[in-house]
Amino acid sequence: SAVISQKPSRDICQRGTSLTIQCQVDSQVTMMFWYRQQPGQSLTLIATANQGSEATYESGFVIDKFPISRPNLTFSTLTVSNMSPEDSSIYLCSVEGEGKNIQYFGAGTRLSVL
Amino acid sequence: DAKTTQPTSMDCAEGRAANLPCNHSTISGNEYVYWYRQIHSQGPQYIIHGLKNNETNEMASLIITEDRKSSTLILPHATLRDTAVYYCIVRRGGLIQGAQKLVFGQGTRLTINP
Repeated sequence: SAVISQKPSRDICQRGTSLTIQCQVDSQVTMMFWYRQQPGQSLTLIATANQGSEATYESGFVIDKFPISRPNLTFSTLTVSNMSPEDSSIYLCSVEGEGKNIQYFGAGTRLSVL
Repeated sequence: DAKTTQPTSMDCAEGRAANLPCNHSTISGNEYVYWYRQIHSQGPQYIIHGLKNNETNEMASLIITEDRKSSTLILPHATLRDTAVYYCIVRRGGLIQGAQKLVFGQGTRLTINP
């Protein structure tokens, strides 16, 4: 399985600011994904981060609010822009190697917006 | 992707086998059954997956009915550390664009009691 590191593990931010979350994997992976887990809820996919191309966003999520970078096969960032208290959630990165058919998750970033 | 139905919660005594059911009556021929669990405040952990044959690994066994419309995850000797939310997910295999995303339902909250 892949070892996934997310930074920061938690943060408290003021409304109107932005936070960039990093996801680092210990091996090259084809697919990287970003999920959101709102308090007491299940996980929802935000977008698929494609290396060398634009991220693919799910319905209800837009690039202006959640810009994503994927500069290489081991790293991705998710930015939560112009935050409001409704953005308080756990944000999780997951990865899947080509042909592996298994996704592995990072520990998540717990974000609180005041 | 096919929808899954799981009981909201279950209890099991420590040391006994925990059997978690999942219904996926609309599953199609190229869809796999995946199980993940999420221990409080952690990222989801992959447990096991299968297509139509029963599968076993060091964590659990997966029993899929012959018609593939339901499955059961078995934790053979549950411990207190197995207390978590367990997610049954149906997902297409292969490298089809969009096939890799995991759609999480509400899962089953399993409580292991001493």
